[in-house]
This record gives sequence, C-alpha cells and structure tokens, in this order.
Amino acid sequence: DTGVSQNPRHKITKRGQNVTFRCDPISEHNRLYWYRQTLGQGPEFLTYFQNEAQLEKSRLLSDRFSAERPKGSFSTLEIQRTEQGDSAMYLCASSSSTGGTSGRGWTGELFFGEGSRLTVL
Amino acid sequence: RKEVEQDPGPFNVPEGATVAFNCTYSNSASQSFFWYRQDCRKEPKLLMSVYSSGNEDGRFTAQLNRASQYISLLIRDSKLSDSATYLCVVTLFSGNTPLVFGKGTRLSVIA
Repeated sequence: DTGVSQNPRHKITKRGQNVTFRCDPISEHNRLYWYRQTLGQGPEFLTYFQNEAQLEKSRLLSDRFSAERPKGSFSTLEIQRTEQGDSAMYLCASSSSTGGTSGRGWTGELFFGEGSRLTVL
Repeated sequence: RKEVEQDPGPFNVPEGATVAFNCTYSNSASQSFFWYRQDCRKEPKLLMSVYSSGNEDGRFTAQLNRASQYISLLIRDSKLSDSATYLCVVTLFSGNTPLVFGKGTRLSVIA
C-alpha cells in the first residue's frame, strides 16, 4: 500500500502521560499536514511541513503539542502531559506543492491517512 | 467569526432529490476552494475544486461567489451512495497554503 500510513491507529493513555504519533506520507509528496478531528467537527488544522521545514505552527493547540519532520520524510506529532480534552482523532495528510509529475499544478488534494485515535483517561 | 461556516444538517432527502449545501468563509485572502467528502469513520477525500466560473462534475455542481465569500454545492438526482458528510474547504491564506475545513454538512439519502 503506497498511501499515507499512521501509527498507532489507537492509543489509550492516562492523563499526564506523553504520546507520540507517527505519519509516513506518500513518498513523492513534499508536504505533510497534521489535523485533529473531534466528533461532529471537521478536521482542525494544526501544522504543516514542506520537506523538513515547518512552515506554520501557530495553530498547534498549546505548547504541549510539537511536531517534527527531521529528514523530510516521516513526521511525528507529540503531545506532552496529555489532558482529557486531547482525546480526538489525529489525522495526517500529504500532498505535492506543485502537483508532482502530473503537470497539473497544485490541485488542492490532500491524501489523508486513516488517523490515530487518542483516548485520554 | 469562524473561518468556514456550514449548516451541519443533517439533510435527509429521498433518492432522486436535488440538494444544495452552502458555506461562507471569513478570510477574503483565501484563494482556493474545495469540497471534500467524508464517509462515516473514514478519512476525508477531495470531491471537487470550486472555481469562480462554476464547475460541474456529473451530478455535482460547485459555485463560488467571491464578493459574498460564499460557496455552494448542488447534488442532482441523489443516490444512496451520496450519503456522507460534505466539508467546505478553503486555503488558510493566499496562494498554495494549508487548507482549513468547515465542520461539514451531513447528508442522508433515503430509499
């Protein structure tokens, strides 16, 4: 499968613990995005990378949230000192900023993974 | 004001009906607009882009009114398989920038 891969798919943790999610994007995509989605809401933008550069991080929910993409390939999203309000689905998406080899230019299409569901007890 | 506002629905319509969804966006700098579809317990997927001139893809028609900062999606001859949540999406800033999503409008097509 060459789609976006996220793991773990489910994580149950106790309040105050740290958790880390990993995202492996589609290999030829240079952009990687993190979103959070709660029940009945649309995906909420958190941060994104172009290659290894984090271009926007002001939307990260608090300083307990951090993301990295050290080699411009996979990315990790860490939540420190988890709170019950952090319970949500964390979605990763990837895209090409230029439309890749299709020649069509940027299409606005994000390819999402199946998400990592976090439950904080 | 939220960046993207949509009526959450649900819209319950019979097969064959025509249904329209609307959304408004707050940032006049947004330059690109899309509709995504999200099935229950699945990830969002691009349905179609939205252009000022309007665009059609089979039974689906999308329109943009930049002056009113308003986007619409029309679905004709609804099918059971159209049942999903439809997400209105705009770029965060100008140009080729991250996408922000509305909370979505839920559609149920009933036999």
